[in-house]
Amino acid sequence: DTAVSQTPKYLVTQMGNDKSIKCEQNLGHDTMYWYKQDSKKFLKIMFSYNNKELIINETVPNRFSPKSPDKAHLNLHINSLELGDSAVYFCASSQESPSWTSGTWDEQFFGPGTRLTVL
Amino acid sequence: AQSVTQLGSHVSVSEGALVLLRCNYSSSVPPYLFWYVQYPNQGLQLLLKYTSAATLVKGINGFEAEFKKSETSFHLTKPSAHMSDAAEYFCAVSKAAGNKLTFGGGTRVLVKP
Repeated sequence: DTAVSQTPKYLVTQMGNDKSIKCEQNLGHDTMYWYKQDSKKFLKIMFSYNNKELIINETVPNRFSPKSPDKAHLNLHINSLELGDSAVYFCASSQESPSWTSGTWDEQFFGPGTRLTVL
Repeated sequence: AQSVTQLGSHVSVSEGALVLLRCNYSSSVPPYLFWYVQYPNQGLQLLLKYTSAATLVKGINGFEAEFKKSETSFHLTKPSAHMSDAAEYFCAVSKAAGNKLTFGGGTRVLVKP
């Protein structure tokens, strides 16, 4: 079973369009994240949600709007796409509270990524 | 504020040779430190983590890293490189569980036969 899944894997679209990327985790985690990896492989946090509430917003343009319908899902909607939005977007999840039995309470599990190309 | 610096964006090693990837961090509070690996066209996979327990941390695939507070470093090593180790490696720091990861710029490892 895939722990953190993202759809689509590839997304090619024209400038000005609106698109969404979906993320689901089946790990029972409380916290989910979106990261952006640019063409130089630099990874940067965009958003973090805990139990459907936004807890981190790293000065991302308003065109990006995350939505968390439940704690297992965190979707990313992007309006008016620009060339500079081309990147690989990674979703991740982690447990907020320590779970000493699993020992993975501080680990973020990443999805496979969505490669967005804006033409 | 936290930051991570990885020295060397590319490292080339011969198969069987030592792999050494350097990571220095800055953090205003005791950090949690991580190394992730990214194989081509794949997501990130955790190699190992330091969360204030033993300073020498052993991870998967024969990798280990040592936390040195005095040097603010968390360098990653593997005694003998394998062709399958060719990938991008990222060092990351966070303040606590459930907190954002701040990544270094990544180091691409090339393994020569």
